[in-house]
Amino acid sequence: EAQVTQNPRYLITVTGKKLTVTCSQNMNHEYMSWYRQDPGLGLRQIYYSMNVEVTDKGDVPEGYKVSRKEKRNFPLILESPSPNQTSLYFCASSPGGGNTEAFFGQGTRLTVV
Amino acid sequence: GNSVTQMEGPVTLSEEAFLTINCTYTATGYPSLFWYVQYPGEGLQLLLKATKADDKGSNKGFEATYRKETTSFHLEKGSVQVSDSAVYFCALSDLSNTGKLIFGQGTTLQVKP
Repeated sequence: EAQVTQNPRYLITVTGKKLTVTCSQNMNHEYMSWYRQDPGLGLRQIYYSMNVEVTDKGDVPEGYKVSRKEKRNFPLILESPSPNQTSLYFCASSPGGGNTEAFFGQGTRLTVV
Repeated sequence: GNSVTQMEGPVTLSEEAFLTINCTYTATGYPSLFWYVQYPGEGLQLLLKATKADDKGSNKGFEATYRKETTSFHLEKGSVQVSDSAVYFCALSDLSNTGKLIFGQGTTLQVKP
């Protein structure tokens, strides 16, 4: 089954404790993205990757890092989480860079206290 | 820049009522337009899409027509069911080769029996 898998689904952590949210896709897509979803703001792109070892900032990259060492995996790293990063996070993949639909993971609800 | 505006929710309807969720966009070029649906506790699923002017996307009884002259992509369904209760997002594809989708803020639909 074609899918994007994120882990964990739920995470509560404390300010400053490094964490990683994993994302994996099995569709051989070149493009992958991370979004955060906040009430009244819809989804906003954090980072994206066009292929292995090619990543770039999206609209709200501050406080986040990513890596793309393999085509299927695109982890999101919060080196020093802060309460304003409490949000619902989605990983997405797509076969192309423009005018194509994206496939989304189930989401990770992160709470930073 | 490109943007999407959706009608504010929540929208509450009785079962079998007619649904319209308004979506308008601002874009340069000719983006593809999408409606995504998010059921409670789940990720985003593509509901329908349209790739050029006057295209009509349809799925599960939902329809939306890409109207370039009014820059709109309103979602409609003739007879909603309780199972349609979800958050609906209108989105457009950013043509900057980043794989990014630009989302509206989302509209919550609640259908009562």
